[in-house]
Amino acid sequence: AQKVTQAQTEISVVEKEDVTLDCVYETRDTTYYLFWYKQPPSGELVFLIRRNSFDEQNEISGRYSWNFQKSTSSFNFTITASQVVDSAVYFCALSEANFGNEKLTFGTGTRLTIIP
Amino acid sequence: NAGVMQNPRHLVRRRGQEARLRCSPMKGHSHVYWYRQLPEEGLKFMVYLQKENIIDESGMPKERFSAEFPKEGPSILRIQQVVRGDSAAYFCASSPSQGIEQETQYFGPGTRLLVL
Repeated sequence: AQKVTQAQTEISVVEKEDVTLDCVYETRDTTYYLFWYKQPPSGELVFLIRRNSFDEQNEISGRYSWNFQKSTSSFNFTITASQVVDSAVYFCALSEANFGNEKLTFGTGTRLTIIP
Repeated sequence: NAGVMQNPRHLVRRRGQEARLRCSPMKGHSHVYWYRQLPEEGLKFMVYLQKENIIDESGMPKERFSAEFPKEGPSILRIQQVVRGDSAAYFCASSPSQGIEQETQYFGPGTRLLVL
């Protein structure tokens, strides 16, 4: 069975600080995908990134960066120079990649509050 | 390019009534997924459909819940004889059937169901 753990329930940081959101996953599959989604106070879910299990390169997109380490089954998300607009709940998710179009298993989310 | 559409955005029902939630996938997407988010929890998979077919309903409660994705029109999640425990946000997601984006699910804004 697949499982995603986001141990940090809530994090608060002062604006402009860097913050890292942790994600640890469990799966028996050798091929899988990892995702991060953002849920702002308005409630919608916004796709941020997809990573497949064969690509361990770290990725940077503006102030966002992701660190994927298969050895520790982790896919952590760092926001650099945080801004108030980053305040949201962030979800890490996992899917198998057997035949494509597989269901997502979500973590319980981390509520990030950026203090102005 | 319109995103995933869900309606209604908010739905209030009394115990015992029926709730119908609608989802129109993104243009070009033929795969639809429904997830439920209980208050302060992560999203839980319910059902995965393609046009006229249910592919995976392993997360759907056996009673009172049903889903369809007809050849024409939106996908419908139907909850009969609602109870207070059905109060939640219901999210629909869609993905294409092939291509590099096949593994990525894009979410609608959700329907907030409140059962009185």
